[in-house]
Amino acid sequence: GAGVSQSPSNKVTEKGKDVELRCDPISGHTALYWYRQRLGQGLEFLIYFQGNSAPDKSGLPSDRFSAERTGESVSTLTIQRTQQEDSAVYLCASSLIQGLAEPQHFGDGTRLSIL
Amino acid sequence: LAKTTQPISMDSYEGQEVNITCSHNNIATNDYITWYQQFPSQGPRFIIQGYKTKVTNEVASLFIPADRKSSTLSLPRVSLSDTAVYYCLVGDTTDKLIFGTGTRLQVFP
Repeated sequence: GAGVSQSPSNKVTEKGKDVELRCDPISGHTALYWYRQRLGQGLEFLIYFQGNSAPDKSGLPSDRFSAERTGESVSTLTIQRTQQEDSAVYLCASSLIQGLAEPQHFGDGTRLSIL
Repeated sequence: LAKTTQPISMDSYEGQEVNITCSHNNIATNDYITWYQQFPSQGPRFIIQGYKTKVTNEVASLFIPADRKSSTLSLPRVSLSDTAVYYCLVGDTTDKLIFGTGTRLQVFP
């Protein structure tokens, strides 16, 4: 597979549980991005990585959200003590380098439902 | 990042040309204009990008006037499969990108 892969594709969990979402970017892409998309709305930028570093984490909605990237490859987005308002599709994208002039390649997202 | 304004929705029929205009009055000198397409249950897909004048690829054309305060995505001879949400983005970095709600294009047979 040459594209961005996200897992799981769907996740249903109870309020208060922790969830971990995974993103496998395109091999060789140094930049990786996470977005959240609520039903019928646009994409909300959460965080980006250049290599394994996240220069700015201020887009994360609350301190319950965290993200990491290792080996300049896989990234995980973790949501602790989930709330119903966390229900959304979480999208990951990667690009060869960081910069708007470089197209982002998106995965199909993880649809998270909090009961 | 420059704020963008685009129509919420547009309707068209198969075979017609569709033009979606995006306003970005506060565009900065270093900003690029980028358009993405999103189908239901999929992530957005890059369509086209430009800085000034006109850019054309196998999918679409992008027209940018001299003042760069707006841009128009042109889809020639749309088909049912072009039904999607189209996002206009303006900026020079991908920090805190804002996709907005986009333009929902519905193509009818």
